[in-house]
Amino acid sequence: DTAVSQTPKYLVTQMGNDKSIKCEQNLGHDTMYWYKQDSKKFLKIMFSYNNKELIINETVPNRFSPKSPDKAHLNLHINSLELGDSAVYFCASSRQTSGSVTDTQYFGPGTRLTVL
Amino acid sequence: LAKTTQPISMDSYEGQEVNITCSHNNIATNDYITWYQQFPSQGPRFIIQGYKTKVTNEVASLFIPADRKSSTLSLPRVSLSDTAVYYCLVGEFGSQGNLIFGKGTKLSVKP
Repeated sequence: DTAVSQTPKYLVTQMGNDKSIKCEQNLGHDTMYWYKQDSKKFLKIMFSYNNKELIINETVPNRFSPKSPDKAHLNLHINSLELGDSAVYFCASSRQTSGSVTDTQYFGPGTRLTVL
Repeated sequence: LAKTTQPISMDSYEGQEVNITCSHNNIATNDYITWYQQFPSQGPRFIIQGYKTKVTNEVASLFIPADRKSSTLSLPRVSLSDTAVYYCLVGEFGSQGNLIFGKGTKLSVKP
């Protein structure tokens, strides 16, 4: 059974489009995260939700909007896609609730987004 | 925020012990050290976490000297499947805002 799953695995789209990436975890964790890994391989936190409540919101364009319908799901919606949004997006979850680097995080397989 | 520095890459051969060192000169008193492993086309996976001295689990050992300004991840008898990128992170329990994985160390294990 997949612990943290993301869909789609690959996403190719045109500039200006709106797209969503879905994430689900079946670990019973209270905290979920979205990360972006750019072409230089830096992996940086974007958002974190604890039990459907936003606890981390890094400096991310407001074209990115996370949505958590329940604590097992954290979806990422991106409006007006730009070339610079091309990256691999990872979803993660943790049992702990602080959103700290010391919380053991379980990552999904990633979604490779390519904006043309 | 404690900044970490790791070698960009390392090469090894199957069966060897590999030690990857991370420097964190400005580590704070309450900071812990955490290591993750990332295989190609996969998300990172937690390996080990420690505060001081030595921590060992079924995957690796983590050595932290008394001054805690560095830490060494030790992988015993690596195999080809240990080829991955290894990230060192430093941060305090309950402290947000430091969830940044740098470039890590790309370990290549050769037959």
